[in-house]
Amino acid sequence: SQTIHQWPATLVQPVGSPLSLECTVEGTSNPNLYWYRQAAGRGLQLLFYSVGIGQISSEVPQNLSASRPQDRQFILSSKKLLLSDSGFYLCAWSVLQGGYTFGSGTRLTVV
Amino acid sequence: QKEVEQDPGPLSVPEGAIVSLNCTYSNSAFQYFMWYRQYSRKGPELLMYTYSSGNKEDGRFTAQVDKSSKYISLFIRDSQPSDSATYLCAMSEGNYQLIWGAGTKLIIKP
Repeated sequence: SQTIHQWPATLVQPVGSPLSLECTVEGTSNPNLYWYRQAAGRGLQLLFYSVGIGQISSEVPQNLSASRPQDRQFILSSKKLLLSDSGFYLCAWSVLQGGYTFGSGTRLTVV
Repeated sequence: QKEVEQDPGPLSVPEGAIVSLNCTYSNSAFQYFMWYRQYSRKGPELLMYTYSSGNKEDGRFTAQVDKSSKYISLFIRDSQPSDSATYLCAMSEGNYQLIWGAGTKLIIKP
């Protein structure tokens, strides 16, 4: 069966520090991968998506970046965090025309 | 105007009641319709997946799609306190991209 792992679960980082969140998928090949952010009490905002290794599309201009070094690995990064980067970050995977499967999320607080 | 409109609630109902959650949309090209349930501090989980118009039933949950009215619904029968969560609708033209509603917070009172 397919599983998705996302870590860490919670993170508190100072303003200006770097960020690296990792997501891995098991049990499927060549999935579409996504990074979403969800602000408190708000809907889901798509940040990045990837349809293959090294292929990244950005939906929102910001100081975040994403990479897909392997088929089932998706990484969200920042060189310098801002206070506005705080939120709940979710990784997800899907196949074409399929529903999304989400990871358990990372709650990031920038202080 | 947003592509997908969903009342954020909260919607509070007594245990055992029938719950109706709804979304409206403007893009007639949407073909795939989904409902997700999200518990606090957790990732959303896929609850119902429907292609085109019609009804789909799974246990206490029924999803309805009315493409002529651009309106989708999720019904929960015999609601339980464990159904308390935020319910998000999502829809797609059939490509990678899902368009999301803002989510409705549902509270089932024991």
